[in-house]
Amino acid sequence: AQSVTQLDSQVPVFEEAPVELRCNYSSSVSVYLFWYVQYPNQGLQLLLKYLSGSTLVKGINGFEAEFNKSQTSFHLRKPSVHISDTAEYFCAVSERISGGYNKLIFGAGTRLAVHP
Amino acid sequence: NAGVTQTPKFQVLKTGQSMTLQCAQDMNHEYMSWYRQDPGMGLRLIHYSVGAGITDQGEVPNGYNVSRSTTEDFPLRLLSAAPSQTSVYFCASSGVLAGGTDTQYFGPGTRLTVL
Repeated sequence: AQSVTQLDSQVPVFEEAPVELRCNYSSSVSVYLFWYVQYPNQGLQLLLKYLSGSTLVKGINGFEAEFNKSQTSFHLRKPSVHISDTAEYFCAVSERISGGYNKLIFGAGTRLAVHP
Repeated sequence: NAGVTQTPKFQVLKTGQSMTLQCAQDMNHEYMSWYRQDPGMGLRLIHYSVGAGITDQGEVPNGYNVSRSTTEDFPLRLLSAAPSQTSVYFCASSGVLAGGTDTQYFGPGTRLTVL
């Protein structure tokens, strides 16, 4: 079974600074990878996804992630954060189980706190 | 489009009570899922469905039942609530991509407390 490790449970950062949220996954076979964001008391919103092709994936709100197959990593980056980016971020990998269904396996989450 | 909707937003139950969490999607997606979110554990799959009339268990199915009589609806039933079921519950739906699951879209969640 696959697993996802988010290496930092909390990341504090000052506004306008760059940030990197780290994610490693366990599988060595072809995978689909996702980053979701959860704002306080809300559901999960897709930030970006990697299915195939270019290893640099651009998402919403200025975020991007780089797929690194050799290091089994999918780190999320933003060059300049805003207060409004304060949220919890989840990395997920898909795993085929049955009937064409790919379940998502989530990391434990990284809480990004942006300070003025 | 409303996307994925869930009701209620909040619920408090006593141990042993039963209830149904409702989930509906208007995107004509084949696949629907229920996850629970607990602090420090991310989201874990409870049950999923690959189409009307077809459901299966995920990682943490004990104490929960599901059914899928229509494409749009996928209710989650708690048979006899326990404090360990205190959690935030998310419903998700997804279409088909290249023979597999496309991006999953999540509802706003139901926060359940069992006393």
